[in-house]
Amino acid sequence: EADIYQTPRYLVIGTGKKITLECSQTMGHDKMYWYQQDPGMELHLIHYSYGVNSTEKGDLSSESTVSRIRTEHFPLTLESARPSHTSQYLCASRGIGGSGYTFGSGTRLTVV
Amino acid sequence: GENVEQHPSTLSVQEGDSAVIKCTYSDSASNYFPWYKQELGKRPQLIIDIRSNVGEKKDQRIAVTLNKTAKHFSLHITETQPEDSAVYFCAALGNTGKLIFGQGTTLQVKP
Repeated sequence: EADIYQTPRYLVIGTGKKITLECSQTMGHDKMYWYQQDPGMELHLIHYSYGVNSTEKGDLSSESTVSRIRTEHFPLTLESARPSHTSQYLCASRGIGGSGYTFGSGTRLTVV
Repeated sequence: GENVEQHPSTLSVQEGDSAVIKCTYSDSASNYFPWYKQELGKRPQLIIDIRSNVGEKKDQRIAVTLNKTAKHFSLHITETQPEDSAVYFCAALGNTGKLIFGQGTTLQVKP
């Protein structure tokens, strides 16, 4: 089924660890986005990409990095996790034509 | 810069009543306005959208209206049910290609 998939769904890690959150979509969408969201709160854009080898920082300052080597894959990496990174991370994608985003189910990250 | 203001932040209604959520956007080039519903622990889901060449759109109990002159758009839910309880986000698509989201409205429908 064409959708956008995020793994892991939940993650608890120690301070200082390096982690990568995975996001893949099977819809052929060119545009992909990462949002940080505390439960029920605002969606903060942290990174986006309009195609392979294109990445931009979003509106919220983040210590994470992203890469876009393949159209379908848009991983987010935290080099050194801190408790302040505890949040939910949502990946989204959008195709050509101006339709809305499709969101993934999110990764709930807890840094202890 | 681009901005979307959403009100109210919380809304509590009795089952069967109507609910209205309002948004104002700043970028006059915005031409697409989706609404998302996010249930507790779930991903945001698109529930209805409207393009700038249309003033109103309905889908069963939900409707969206757009006033381009005033740069306002609103979500209307009629005959609310407990399963409508969720956080609702409005958004506007500008010429940057990014959706600008409102701050969210927590809707509680009391049985």
